[in-house]
Amino acid sequence: TQLLEQSPQFLSIQEGENLTVYCNSSSVFSSLQWYRQEPGEGPVLLVTVVTGGEVKKLKRLTFQFGDARKDSSLHITAAQPGDTGLYLCAGGGSARQLTFGSGTQLTVLP
Amino acid sequence: DSGVTQTPKHLITATGQRVTLRCSPRSGDLSVYWYQQSLDQGLQFLIQYYNGEERAKGNILERFSAQQFPDLHSELNLSSLELGDSALYFCASSLSGRSYNEQFFGPGTRLTVL
Repeated sequence: TQLLEQSPQFLSIQEGENLTVYCNSSSVFSSLQWYRQEPGEGPVLLVTVVTGGEVKKLKRLTFQFGDARKDSSLHITAAQPGDTGLYLCAGGGSARQLTFGSGTQLTVLP
Repeated sequence: DSGVTQTPKHLITATGQRVTLRCSPRSGDLSVYWYQQSLDQGLQFLIQYYNGEERAKGNILERFSAQQFPDLHSELNLSSLELGDSALYFCASSLSGRSYNEQFFGPGTRLTVL
């Protein structure tokens, strides 16, 4: 069974601060996705990374896939209250379905 | 709006009962996934259908079953409900069902079992 662990589980920061969320596994994934979920809604895809070492930027968000394709990180620069939400990583592997991490609940205080 | 619709949005029922959750995928998407999200378990994959056929199974209980119809909508049936089945149930769809495809999630059905 492929498992994904996210850390931290909860993160509360002030507006303007930087943060990094981690997604780790002992398994290799062929792809890694990051989703953001807001209360009362379903998760929304932010990015997909498929190559070991790949870095993708989405405005103030930077996503990195580990060289060995076992881990990933999400870095947010100058966080804003609108970044508040549950961030989920999800790995695609030999199984056709995605394996989701347990999530990081981010709160950005104004 | 993801284009995926789920009904009902809220469902309150009693233990031992049976309920059916409905999902309509985005136009053009052939694959439908069902997930259960509870506070202590995160987002758990239940089952996937592709073009009417079961493609993959996750941690789905025997009391639960699903199907995808010719018009590609899907239903998740939950029977002999227990208190622990209370959760958010999400449906997602994707174009081809490959794991790297983006999954578009519906707004979810919140099930409360009393």
